[in-house]
Amino acid sequence: DAGITQSPRHKVTETGTPVTLRCHQTENHRYMYWYRQDPGHGLRLIHYSYGVKDTDKGEVSDGYSVSRSKTEDFLLTLESATSSQTSVYFCAIRGTGEETQYFGPGTRLLVL
Amino acid sequence: RKEVEQDPGPFNVPEGATVAFNCTYSNSASQSFFWYRQDCRKEPKLLMSVYSSGNEDGRFTAQLNRASQYISLLIRDSKLSDSATYLCVVNIPGLYSSASKIIFGSGTRLSIRP
Repeated sequence: DAGITQSPRHKVTETGTPVTLRCHQTENHRYMYWYRQDPGHGLRLIHYSYGVKDTDKGEVSDGYSVSRSKTEDFLLTLESATSSQTSVYFCAIRGTGEETQYFGPGTRLLVL
Repeated sequence: RKEVEQDPGPFNVPEGATVAFNCTYSNSASQSFFWYRQDCRKEPKLLMSVYSSGNEDGRFTAQLNRASQYISLLIRDSKLSDSATYLCVVNIPGLYSSASKIIFGSGTRLSIRP
């Protein structure tokens, strides 16, 4: 299995609070991604990174920001959590020249 | 129209049966295709890539039809452990690697009954 972990694995928070999710990889892969998965929508890309300090928006980036200060870590921040951001969040990694993405175990976030 | 469409199922079939799923994609520039498997409350995992000539991995066969823009997955002699959601994934290349777009279908749920 790819060396990719996410923390926390579960979180309950209140509307209006900031939340940061962490993705950590030990594969030294260049590309990292944050997705959310909701029933009926499948996996939707929030943000991705193609190198340290290089990030770009995905299709559902509103209300989210990311940072990548080291190759191994990709942080996703919900600036002010809303109930619509209740979801399962997956991080994925991909090596240069590869097409396959490998996923972390996911973070279940509940915003009350 | 969604860029990648799958029948959500659920497909409920008896153990030992053969089952097939299709997935259609709308962008003719799509170049790479994959099937992922996702177990309940787990992360998606690569099941197999899909090649133009079709490919087989044990009981699993994947086919690509570029003219009609669909890919298929066939599972023979299904096992209880095949129960999962199967995600169709399409890669649309960009000018450079970081601009390539990876689109996931919503998944087809398969349930194998004893």
